[in-house]
Amino acid sequence: EVQLVESGGGLVQPGGSLRLSCAVSGFTFSSYWMSWVRQAPGKGLEWVANIKQDGSEKYYVDSIKGRFTISRDNAKNSLSLQMNSLRAEDTAIYYCARGGSGRLPVSPDFWGQGTLVTVSS
Amino acid sequence: NFMLTQPHSVSESPGKTVTISCTRSSGTIANNYVQWYQQRPGSAPTTVIYEDNQRPSGVPDRFSGSIDRSSNSASLTISGLRTEDEADYYCQSYDNYNWVFGGGTKLTVV
Repeated sequence: EVQLVESGGGLVQPGGSLRLSCAVSGFTFSSYWMSWVRQAPGKGLEWVANIKQDGSEKYYVDSIKGRFTISRDNAKNSLSLQMNSLRAEDTAIYYCARGGSGRLPVSPDFWGQGTLVTVSS
Repeated sequence: NFMLTQPHSVSESPGKTVTISCTRSSGTIANNYVQWYQQRPGSAPTTVIYEDNQRPSGVPDRFSGSIDRSSNSASLTISGLRTEDEADYYCQSYDNYNWVFGGGTKLTVV
């Protein structure tokens, strides 16, 4: 059974940092693109970042470029999102998602339950 | 990047059929697969349609997806509506290595 479990969310002040983690099981982690998708309270889904199977390529939505870094550890079946210079508009549930096993990250097919990040003073 | 536009909300009665549209702003809808996700309140999204019209195992055949090249849009059709289908539905596609989500459609079954 495919499982993705996020952790690391919480309350942080504007300008602060937070590191999210996603522990996965039930599939060959190193064969899949992995991703982060967020959802602000009462709003829709927003793609945040994708990382290639071997970690060699990373792609980000413009609004977080230079502030967030996606990474993975294939030996530990773990995905991370380092978030710096956080803003109020980064407040959201952050979902870890599996992104497909091909050359392109076509779509998320499995999602974690999400972890809430609140940026507020 | 292109945008995907969905109606904000739709409403239909139990047992009826509803169709939710997803219109691509630029580029050709048929060039990149479209997926559909269901999200119930307080839960993570789950896939109901992938690769335009494919259903994951466990998704009932009441759910179907299609592409219309003439309107440059994708559609999700749910037949035999049940109260449990009440949820938010999102379409999604991709532009090279980036994902694009529609704004979501709230389906009310009353």
